Amino acid sequence: QLQLQESGPGLVRPSETLSLTCAVSGGSIGDDIYFWGLFRLPPGKGLEWIGHIHYSGDTYYNPSLKSRVAMSVDTSENHFSLKLRSVTASDTAVYYCVRYRRFADYFDSWGQGTLVTVSS
Amino acid sequence: QSALTQPPSASGSPGQSVTISCTGTSSDVGHYNFVSWYQQHPGNAPKVMIYEVNKRPSGVPDRFSGSKSGNTASLTVSGLQADDEADYYCISYAGNHDVVFGGGTKLTVL
Repeated sequence: QLQLQESGPGLVRPSETLSLTCAVSGGSIGDDIYFWGLFRLPPGKGLEWIGHIHYSGDTYYNPSLKSRVAMSVDTSENHFSLKLRSVTASDTAVYYCVRYRRFADYFDSWGQGTLVTVSS
Repeated sequence: QSALTQPPSASGSPGQSVTISCTGTSSDVGHYNFVSWYQQHPGNAPKVMIYEVNKRPSGVPDRFSGSKSGNTASLTVSGLQADDEADYYCISYAGNHDVVFGGGTKLTVL
């Protein structure tokens, strides 16, 4: 049974960088048929796709966030990471790690989510 | 603003059927048969209910069904139950590894 676990600081100051790590267990991040990614759910709003990454390092980002987002993957540790630069209060959200099944193009596994608040 | 348009709310009584629409364009929903639907209960992670327009993952009741016509995909929930009350989101592949998503529909079981 695949599990995705988010970890990161619950509070980030405005203008700083939000860093999150998604640990993968019960499966290999090197499995070619999957991408690994993140969504977020701002309070009172809908889901927003942030981006996803292949184990090879190829990345695909939401165009609206692309200028501030960087994702990376560590196959030896079986985890992937997000960095979101220059955060503002509008980046406050529950962040979810997800697994994306290629060729069927859907998100088949989700982490439980972690709340990140941007505030001074 | 989300690329896919969903109604903000939908409702039905127990036992009834409800259909939620998801309208995109000829570049996403209309072009690819890669529309998926997700159910999210408050405080929980989303769960995939439908993928590839009309396929159900193992464990999802057959009360949930999906379809597509032109640029609009639909999720139908038949035999409404109290536990179906949740937010529902549609997502579509849009080419070049891009993903577009709807703003979500709050389903209320009256």
